Amino acid sequence: QAVVTQEPSLTVSPGGTVTLTCGSSTGAVTSGHYPYWFQQKPGQAPRTLIYDTSNKHSWTPARFSGSLLGGKGALTLSGAQPEDEAEYYCLLSYSGARPVFGGGTKLTVL
Amino acid sequence: QVQLVQSGAEVKKPGASVKVSCKASGYTFTRYYMHWVRQAPGQGLEWMGIIKSSGDSTSYAQKFQGRVTMTRDTSTNTVYMELSSLRSEDTAVYYCARGNPVDIWGQGTMVTVSS
Repeated sequence: QAVVTQEPSLTVSPGGTVTLTCGSSTGAVTSGHYPYWFQQKPGQAPRTLIYDTSNKHSWTPARFSGSLLGGKGALTLSGAQPEDEAEYYCLLSYSGARPVFGGGTKLTVL
Repeated sequence: QVQLVQSGAEVKKPGASVKVSCKASGYTFTRYYMHWVRQAPGQGLEWMGIIKSSGDSTSYAQKFQGRVTMTRDTSTNTVYMELSSLRSEDTAVYYCARGNPVDIWGQGTMVTVSS
């Protein structure tokens, strides 16, 4: 099974910009992996922020955006707010195989 | 509004089975797949499997093959996930999530496996 890698932790200042990445042990992440990004706060269910690399749901704050960057999936937060402090997970789909979650990135807004 | 409401917490003994339900409302049930994801205490998310809109097609993570069964009842708009031969490592919160694409999540069901 493929391994999906994320930064264990990142810190961003309020109002600042940060990029979280999502790598694959099989090689470059492409649009064909249909990258997802989920946000999870303590004691809550995950919330889907981004699907298929860069698509947002109606509830996704405009300050979040998804892309491909340097062979990885990327989630960029521009103008971080205190309420963005959370764990963020990516999910990649593999042709002929089952989707795999990354280990998560704990984002601190400080 | 679109909602997924899961069944309540369960405590099971090792070797037993558990069946978690996920009742959907606010949308056409048969038009969407349903994923199941679990999260052990203090750990990350783990994809378990998916049941497709027709209800007669499922795909499970290799790790759970032979132990998990996902079904759906279109008369009650409910999806079920049954996990058998439980062990302590199966202690986790189990989530259903509507897809594709994945959007709405259930509130989660805590399953504790303990002797």
